[in-house]
Amino acid sequence: KQEVTQIPAALSVPEGENLVLNCSFTDSAIYNLQWFRQDPGKGLTSLLLIQSSQREQTSGRLNASLDKSSGRSTLYIAASQPGDSATYLCAVDNYGQNFVFGPGTRLSVLP
Amino acid sequence: EAQVTQNPRYLITVTGKKLTVTCSQNMNHEYMSWYRQDPGLGLRQIYYSMNVEVTDKGDVPEGYKVSRKEKRNFPLILESPSPNQTSLYFCASSSYTGLGRLPNTEAFFGQGTRLTVV
Repeated sequence: KQEVTQIPAALSVPEGENLVLNCSFTDSAIYNLQWFRQDPGKGLTSLLLIQSSQREQTSGRLNASLDKSSGRSTLYIAASQPGDSATYLCAVDNYGQNFVFGPGTRLSVLP
Repeated sequence: EAQVTQNPRYLITVTGKKLTVTCSQNMNHEYMSWYRQDPGLGLRQIYYSMNVEVTDKGDVPEGYKVSRKEKRNFPLILESPSPNQTSLYFCASSSYTGLGRLPNTEAFFGQGTRLTVV
């Protein structure tokens, strides 16, 4: 059964810093991996989708990488801003089960 | 605008009183699913549907029912709610069918329904 973990569970950084969030999964037979952002009490917003054949995707200050063979993905946030404060979730699209979520990393960017 | 709409956003009910949470998507997606989110447990899948009249259990289906009579709607039914079903619920849709390889299976989520069962 696919399991997804995220490290760290929480992270607090000063504004302007670059940071990396980590996601690991146990079964490398995934279709794709998606990073989401969730603000407190709100829904999920899709940030980046990486197909299994891709190694990375970029959107603005965000860059996500995927290494299927090692079961890892990273989300890189450049020049962090207080508005980036949220919980970041990774989810793997797992054949037959679909979208197994990690527990999330709670990010606080301090002004 | 592409969106997944859930209703209601907030609901407080009493144990045993049947309720339905509606979910509707306007993207003509085949795949829809329901999740619940609980502190410390993350998001867990309740039920999913690959297409009209095709539904299957996720990780935590006990106490829930779903139906998929139309492509755009996927209601979640709690026949006899209990306090342990107090949670934040999310509906999602995507173009993933499981039958082939699609170039884009980005998932779209609703804004959530916060349910309290007393």
